[in-house]
Amino acid sequence: AQSVTQLGSHVSVSEGALVLLRCNYSSSVPPYLFWYVQYPNQGLQLLLKYTSAATLVKGINGFEAEFKKSETSFHLTKPSAHMSDAAEYFCAVSQAAGNKLTFGGGTRVLVKP
Amino acid sequence: NAGVTQTPKFQVLKTGQSMTLQCAQDMNHEYMSWYRQDPGMGLRLIHYSVGAGITDQGEVPNGYNVSRSTTEDFPLRLLSAAPSQTSVYFCASSTRGRGEKLFFGSGTQLSVL
Repeated sequence: AQSVTQLGSHVSVSEGALVLLRCNYSSSVPPYLFWYVQYPNQGLQLLLKYTSAATLVKGINGFEAEFKKSETSFHLTKPSAHMSDAAEYFCAVSQAAGNKLTFGGGTRVLVKP
Repeated sequence: NAGVTQTPKFQVLKTGQSMTLQCAQDMNHEYMSWYRQDPGMGLRLIHYSVGAGITDQGEVPNGYNVSRSTTEDFPLRLLSAAPSQTSVYFCASSTRGRGEKLFFGSGTQLSVL
């Protein structure tokens, strides 16, 4: 079975500061991992994904995530927050077959000017 | 580019009423799925389909029915609505295969009184 834990349901950062969102997973098979972003009143959009290639994955809007098998983690970072980064972020792991995802509880990011 | 279209955007039901949430995609995706989003719980898979005529249960299927008569459409039926089904519902589609990007609709906000 797969599960995802996101540490911190809310994160507040200043504009220009580092954004760090934490995600730990458990998986009975080699994991495929994802970060999705949800802007207010919208559906989710894919930020980036790890599918067993390079462990450092670059995504859209300056985000990147590093897969660390030994720590079962897939933390999301962005060096410098922008006001437009205010959104809710979801980490997810793909189940063994098909395209079924198990999502974490989400982290809402507030960016202060 | 329509992508994934969900209707309605908002719905209020009384306990015991039935309704159908509509989902249509124009990308010829084989895989379609329904998730519900509840605060702090992320998204949870209700039902999914890997092609026309094929459906299966996800994590939280009770109280919901689906069918897939065409590639494009994947409606979600609530036969007898309950307050516990108050949630935001998202339809998503993708090409078939593990690790494929999910395309989400903009959601249906459902309240059951």
